[in-house]
Amino acid sequence: GQNIDQPTEMTATEGAIVQINCTYQTSGFNGLFWYQQHAGEAPTFLSYNVLDGLEEKGRFSSFLSRSKGYSYLLLKELQMKDSASYLCAVREVSQAGTALIFGKGTTLSVSS
Amino acid sequence: DARVTQTPRHKVTEMGQEVTMRCQPILGHNTVFWYRQTMMQGLELLAYFRNRAPLDDSGMPKDRFSAEMPDATLATLKIQPSEPRDSAVYFCASGTLGTGELFFGEGSRLTVL
Repeated sequence: GQNIDQPTEMTATEGAIVQINCTYQTSGFNGLFWYQQHAGEAPTFLSYNVLDGLEEKGRFSSFLSRSKGYSYLLLKELQMKDSASYLCAVREVSQAGTALIFGKGTTLSVSS
Repeated sequence: DARVTQTPRHKVTEMGQEVTMRCQPILGHNTVFWYRQTMMQGLELLAYFRNRAPLDDSGMPKDRFSAEMPDATLATLKIQPSEPRDSAVYFCASGTLGTGELFFGEGSRLTVL
């Protein structure tokens, strides 16, 4: 089974930095993903961590601590277009196979 | 530009009717997932396939939902009979086992009256 928690909503202003946290409890952990989903659109891949530490990709960074069951997504130099839902997802290996299980998402609103 | 294609994009139907949603995964992807998204529950995993074989469909209500992959270019999700609580956006996603990254279709928005 799995349990993935992230805040429901966050707000921030243009140019700021925001950190979206995700905690998880799962058996068969095999990686942590972050996806972005704009309203009315499909989720799109942002980042992937399988080892502990920070992965940086332009304005976005993602951190993972496997021992703590914790990840965060850091967004720098926020822009209005970053207003979206951010989904934390755990890749889980089970007897059935390998699946990506999503949290409920954090809706980020960026204002000017 | 390779992408996952889903049909129909929108479907409005009445309770009790059969609904079939179709998905064409990206060529070469060996895993296909079906998710359902609602405001309350977020993205829920319904079923997934690897190399066309069903691996897990424990997320689906078995009495009314069925998922199949008749060939490598087509995955289907069927609801029979449909109920108002099935109203949601249904996403298909495909990927390869190696990277784990999934590519999502644009979704099928289902409304059951």
